[in-house]
Amino acid sequence: GQQVMQIPQYQHVQEGEDFTTYCNSSTTLSNIQWYKQRPGGHPVFLIQLVKSGEVKKQKRLTFQFGEAKKNSSLHITATQTTDVGTYFCAVTNQAGTALIFGKGTTLSVSS
Amino acid sequence: SQTIHQWPATLVQPVGSPLSLECTVEGTSNPNLYWYRQAAGRGLQLLFYSVGIGQISSEVPQNLSASRPQDRQFILSSKKLLLSDSGFYLCAWSVDLGRAGNTIYFGEGSWLTVV
Repeated sequence: GQQVMQIPQYQHVQEGEDFTTYCNSSTTLSNIQWYKQRPGGHPVFLIQLVKSGEVKKQKRLTFQFGEAKKNSSLHITATQTTDVGTYFCAVTNQAGTALIFGKGTTLSVSS
Repeated sequence: SQTIHQWPATLVQPVGSPLSLECTVEGTSNPNLYWYRQAAGRGLQLLFYSVGIGQISSEVPQNLSASRPQDRQFILSSKKLLLSDSGFYLCAWSVDLGRAGNTIYFGEGSWLTVV
């Protein structure tokens, strides 16, 4: 079935440093979604990427979809303590009926 | 607007006891429904999904089962819980994921501790 590998599993940064998480697939993806889960909360949708080479920005967050549509990244510039949580990438299964999530990257930020 | 409710929020169950987690969605018709489990270090694991009443797809073999008795109701069950069933269970819904732009919406989750 569809799988997506996400790295790193954990990342600790000092406030103000940048952060990046990466997702990779062995197959070409139709689209990829990103979610954020705050500690103790449930995952919340951030963005969806569809086009090859697409780059989208949300304030300090930059999302990229690779040219071959096999990888994606989420980059946070100048992290803040409000950025803590687990970031997941997710791809649809072949039938288009369910989302398969990466294992997530848990970000901690110290001030 | 659409809302999703799942309960109970927290439960502690002895090994060998049954389990029933319930999820309902309001404000939409014929949603896709999902159960995910989140265990430490294992991310979000898809357990079951349903595209319609009585239609259940299981992603992984396990000690759990799911049922969809009504269009907007999804139930996760077990006859005899194992210690390994402990985790954070999330119900979710979506419309057609095959269409770009459609996303998945999660409930608040249920923390299950099997002792």
